[in-house]
Amino acid sequence: GEDVEQSLFLSVREGDSSVINCTYTDSSSTYLYWYKQEPGAGLQLLTYIFSNMDMKQDQRLTVLLNKKDKHLSLRIADTQTGDSAIYFCAEQSPGNNRKLIWGLGTSLAVNP
Amino acid sequence: DAGVIQSPRHEVTEMGQEVTLRCKPISGHDYLFWYRQTMMRGLELLIYFNNNVPIDDSGMPEDRFSAKMPNASFSTLKIQPSEPRDSAVYFCASSSRAGEQYFGPGTRLTVT
Repeated sequence: GEDVEQSLFLSVREGDSSVINCTYTDSSSTYLYWYKQEPGAGLQLLTYIFSNMDMKQDQRLTVLLNKKDKHLSLRIADTQTGDSAIYFCAEQSPGNNRKLIWGLGTSLAVNP
Repeated sequence: DAGVIQSPRHEVTEMGQEVTLRCKPISGHDYLFWYRQTMMRGLELLIYFNNNVPIDDSGMPEDRFSAKMPNASFSTLKIQPSEPRDSAVYFCASSSRAGEQYFGPGTRLTVT
């Protein structure tokens, strides 16, 4: 079945790197996504990676994909207090549809 | 661009009352999604539309929930009658590209 799993909480110090991990089950997923939700707001697309890539970098964000282990990670370099939020991993549901399969989200707390 | 607009932002109602949530998607987006978010169940897809036509309503919890999209710029999610367990944040999102969903700010529903 389709399932996306994430750890629920992560706490880091300001200036350190944060690594948020995600595992997924559907090996046929074509795209994998990271969304960010700040308190009281909707989700916002941060970045995505295509399944034929193993790494994507975008400024402070680095996405690593291990297809063999079905493992996705999001690294945030030089984490700031403004990065405190919930981060959701999502995979494209297989087939010709637009559904995303969502993880429960990882709550990132950045301590000064 | 104003983004996805949802109204009301907050709704408090008594059990048994009808509740109507409204959404205006981003102009030009041909997909619209309704989600429900709770601490216990995370983010759940209720229904989504393509070109105003419902494509998948398998996430709608029961017959008390209904959704319509009479035109490309407006959608409603109705709960009748409402129950305390419907208390949640309801998000509308729109999309023109697979996986890139743009979320509204959400409607926080409290049913007493």
